[in-house]
Amino acid sequence: AQKITQTQPGMFVQEKEAVTLDCTYDTSDPSYGLFWYKQPSSGEMIFLIYQGSYDQQNATEGRYSLNFQKARKSANLVISASQLGDSAMYFCAMREGYETSYDKVIFGPGTSLSVIP
Amino acid sequence: DAGVTQSPTHLIKTRGQHVTLRCSPISGHKSVSWYQQVLGQGPQFIFQYYEKEERGRGNFPDRFSARQFPNYSSELNVNALLLGDSALYLCASSLSQQGARNTEAFFGQGTRLTVV
Repeated sequence: AQKITQTQPGMFVQEKEAVTLDCTYDTSDPSYGLFWYKQPSSGEMIFLIYQGSYDQQNATEGRYSLNFQKARKSANLVISASQLGDSAMYFCAMREGYETSYDKVIFGPGTSLSVIP
Repeated sequence: DAGVTQSPTHLIKTRGQHVTLRCSPISGHKSVSWYQQVLGQGPQFIFQYYEKEERGRGNFPDRFSARQFPNYSSELNVNALLLGDSALYLCASSLSQQGARNTEAFFGQGTRLTVV
């Protein structure tokens, strides 16, 4: 079963507008972490934001915020005031099992975001 | 400070050959993980090494192997290459094996392997 689902293969947003990228996840582990990464055409994965399963408040990092709805198992990324440089692939990812002995991050299929001038 | 560095950046190999990819983590990071990213998909976990020991392995055949050196750099080896091994191979380093809940993984720019 797919653990991370991103239902939007491609998204368009007007420059300076806000955009929401959807992510739902599946885990039975009570302790987990959720990440969003940006991957420009150069290939490097750039960390954007983190949300822990026990965190009470939604995470924010500059123009990025994470809309965390634990009961619905969703972790949507909101980008405010989109810029042309935001055009890239965006991956939702999860690290589960903090009691396990290793560190494995599971990635979703990604959403391609295009910012239109 | 230097980030995660991977070499080479691009590589073309023939079916049946073997390949070695290299990764240098951020200074002070003891954990290195390897991921395979096939075109159009998200990265898939291959290995994690911590303190020179394999700590985790994804669903990949035994043709894939890796090791970590005393300076925490790492090599990923793939034997008997198949066309399907063509992908971007990403290396990530982090401070700890696990535990620090918000420990982010820092990724290198990747090695783009093409098997012909």
